Amino acid sequence: EPEVTQTPSHQVTQMGQEVILRCVPISNHLYFYWYRQILGQKVEFLVSFYNNEISEKSEIFDDQFSVERPDGSNFTLKIRSTKLEDSAMYFCASRSEGGTEAFFGQGTRLTVV
Amino acid sequence: GDSVTQMEGPVTLSEEAFLTINCTYTATGYPSLFWYVQYPGEGLQLLLKATKADDKGSNKGFEATYRKETTSFHLEKGSVQVSDSAVYFCALSDRNTGGFKTIFGAGTRLFVKA
Repeated sequence: EPEVTQTPSHQVTQMGQEVILRCVPISNHLYFYWYRQILGQKVEFLVSFYNNEISEKSEIFDDQFSVERPDGSNFTLKIRSTKLEDSAMYFCASRSEGGTEAFFGQGTRLTVV
Repeated sequence: GDSVTQMEGPVTLSEEAFLTINCTYTATGYPSLFWYVQYPGEGLQLLLKATKADDKGSNKGFEATYRKETTSFHLEKGSVQVSDSAVYFCALSDRNTGGFKTIFGAGTRLFVKA
């Protein structure tokens, strides 16, 4: 069964460093998303991406964040200068054109020290 | 904007007990409704969905009915097992919301005791 794949599963980084979280969405999907879940809290929307551009972003998604689809298969989230409060589980998701539900990856746990 | 409210946890039940987790939503359009489950240390898995009013989603003994009149989508299971211990998220997705994003409730943690 096709699935969304995220790498790495866990990343530890020092405060102020740049990180790139990677995702391979399901191959025929056209909508891509990043979500964040701070430990024990709710899943928060960060950004949606369609047709090679951001279609919506939340207040959390400030200038420190960017997304890119560098080729036909990867979808990345970059955090330019990480802060302690960026420590969270980051989920990538994708959806097909006309599909009703998003399919989520297993997540990348980011720990900023 | 659109939102989802679900009952606070944790919910603690004995094995074979009946489970209800309440969920209500607010939406301007006609959303699709979902329950996602997150097992300890794992990602989000779609448990069930309903795309229009009066639809019943079901999977693994869980079910939920899309009630437009009460804007609710309560999750039920007749007999829970220890393996059902997880966090359950009610969610909606509205075609009219930019990017068709998924909006989650706060999650309800379920503990099932043997």
